[in-house]
Amino acid sequence: GNSVTQMEGPVTLSEEAFLTINCTYTATGYPSLFWYVQYPGEGLQLLLKATKADDKGSNKGFEATYRKETTSFHLEKGSVQVSDSAVYFCALASGSARQLTFGSGTQLTVLP
Amino acid sequence: DTAVSQTPKYLVTQMGNDKSIKCEQNLGHDTMYWYKQDSKKFLKIMFSYNNKELIINETVPNRFSPKSPDKAHLNLHINSLELGDSAVYFCASSQVQYSYEQYFGPGTRLTVT
Repeated sequence: GNSVTQMEGPVTLSEEAFLTINCTYTATGYPSLFWYVQYPGEGLQLLLKATKADDKGSNKGFEATYRKETTSFHLEKGSVQVSDSAVYFCALASGSARQLTFGSGTQLTVLP
Repeated sequence: DTAVSQTPKYLVTQMGNDKSIKCEQNLGHDTMYWYKQDSKKFLKIMFSYNNKELIINETVPNRFSPKSPDKAHLNLHINSLELGDSAVYFCASSQVQYSYEQYFGPGTRLTVT
């Protein structure tokens, strides 16, 4: 079956630091990959996505590249801000079930 | 306009009660979902409806019953509430014909005392 393994948190960084949150997956077929973000007290929002190997998703300074050879989709940002403090979820979707499989989430706290 | 809305946002109730959570989407999507998020932020799919037809029904107690009166609405009814039902419940929707991307509601925080 499908599964997503995400770097455990919490992660605490100073403002302007470099961020990497690791995500690896196991899936049958050719999954689509996603990063969702959940700000405190809110629902999940799609941050970025990639639908095929070597695609790079990007949004709000965040990037992630779909690496089929390493089955990874690591999230990166060059300079984090306090407003980036949130929980980040890696997810994949494949097959006819149209179901998202989520990782366990990584809590990010950015200190001023 | 809110794309996916849920009511209520907070729900505090006692064990043994029956409660409902409502969800509406105005995106014209054909598929809707219910997720449960526990205190450690872990997300678990509970149900999925496509054009009012149940297509995903994960292992949840049969005290939980989804109802989809039309494509834009998916309600969750919970009977005989238990302490372990305390969680945040999220509704989501997608247009599966074109994308796996799901749009989430703001969540309903259920507290059972």
